[in-house]
Order: sequence, then structure tokens, then C-alpha cells
Amino acid sequence: QTVVTQETSLTVSPGQTVTLTCASSSGAVTHAYYPNWFQQKPGQAPRSLIYSTANTLPWTPARFSGSLLGGKAALTLSGVQPEDEADYYCLLYYGGAWVFGGGTKLTVL
Amino acid sequence: EVQLVESGGGLVQPGGSLRLSCAASGFNFRSQAMSWVRQAPGKGLEWLSVISGRGGSTYYADSVKGRFTISRDNSTNTLYLQMKNLRAGDSAIYYCAQGKTGTQIDNWGQGILVAVSS
Repeated sequence: QTVVTQETSLTVSPGQTVTLTCASSSGAVTHAYYPNWFQQKPGQAPRSLIYSTANTLPWTPARFSGSLLGGKAALTLSGVQPEDEADYYCLLYYGGAWVFGGGTKLTVL
Repeated sequence: EVQLVESGGGLVQPGGSLRLSCAASGFNFRSQAMSWVRQAPGKGLEWLSVISGRGGSTYYADSVKGRFTISRDNSTNTLYLQMKNLRAGDSAIYYCAQGKTGTQIDNWGQGILVAVSS
């Protein structure tokens, strides 16, 4: 059973930069896992931010970027805003099936 | 504008069945893979299943394999999830999701609640 691991929680101050990561129990995450990233605020459906490691969607704020970092997928928020406080989920592709990470609760204080 | 609207949720007894529907509009439905994702109360997202644009390929999470069946009707732009032998652990908000390619999710429905209880 593949497990995808994210930080449980992170706290950041407005204006700072923070990086969330996404690791696979099966080894290093590569582009072949097509990492996707999603944001979810309380009571709302998830919103897609990043696909295929680093590609953004038309509504993705410019401060969000995706990459691979040290064998993991990474989501970087540069210049965090108060409205970025949310849960963030990564999703990895395993040749047909997908697995979500457990999510990172990002607090902006 | 992409719109995904789920329906068919509700309260069902353990061991019962339910069929969810997702009405899609605003994109070329027959050319894009569609997925189902759920979220139990207070928990994270769980990917359940995906179906290719023409319906010829399907994949399932181990947690629902053999109990849930994904299907689509490209003539009515509708995605389905047939759920049988439901358990309390299947209680969740169920989302349908769309992506331009089979390796991305771009848009989500608003979700529909399924509660399994006696």
C-alpha cells in the first residue's frame, strides 16, 4: 500500500516564503508521478493549483509554484498572504491510480 | 466555464447501495478523464476512481475495488459512481473532478454528502 506523506502542519508569517513537500513511500518522486497540488478552505471544495509538477492553472496566484526538491514534490508560496491559510493536498500518479497525501494545514499568523 | 454538479447522495443503511451522478458542462466531456474523490468528516481527501474519456479504462483505490463502479454516458455528459455494500466508513462528501489530461485534475464539483447509518 503506497503512502504519500506531507507535513501535518506549518505556520508562517505574512510575507514570508514557505515550502510544502510531498513524499512517496515507493521512493523518490519524479516528474513521472505528475504531482498535483490543491488548496482547500473550510467548508469549500478543493481548488486545483498545480499539475504535472510545476504547471499552473489560469486562476493560480503567481506566488504559488511547484517543483521537485530532494526527491519530493514541493509547493512553494512566495510572499504568503493571510488568505493562503488553508489545507493543502498533493496527489501523485501511480500508473493509472492516484494517491493523495494526508494534507498540510497552513496557518498564517 | 466548467461546471460539475453532483447528485444522488443521501442517507443509506449499511449494506445498501447508492448511485451518484455528476452532470458536466463547459468542456469536451467525451475527451477527458473523470475522477471521483471523497472526504470523510474532518479527514483528508481520498482518491477513489478514474475513467478514461471513452470509458475503456478504469482504475480504483483498493478501499473501494469490487464495491464501487465508475461509468460515464458521453451522450448526456454524465459521470456515475455506483456504490454497493456500503459501510459506515464510506460516509463522506463525494466530489467529481475533471482534468484536461489523464494526469491532472483541474476542476471540482461542489460535492455531495453520503451518510451510511442505520
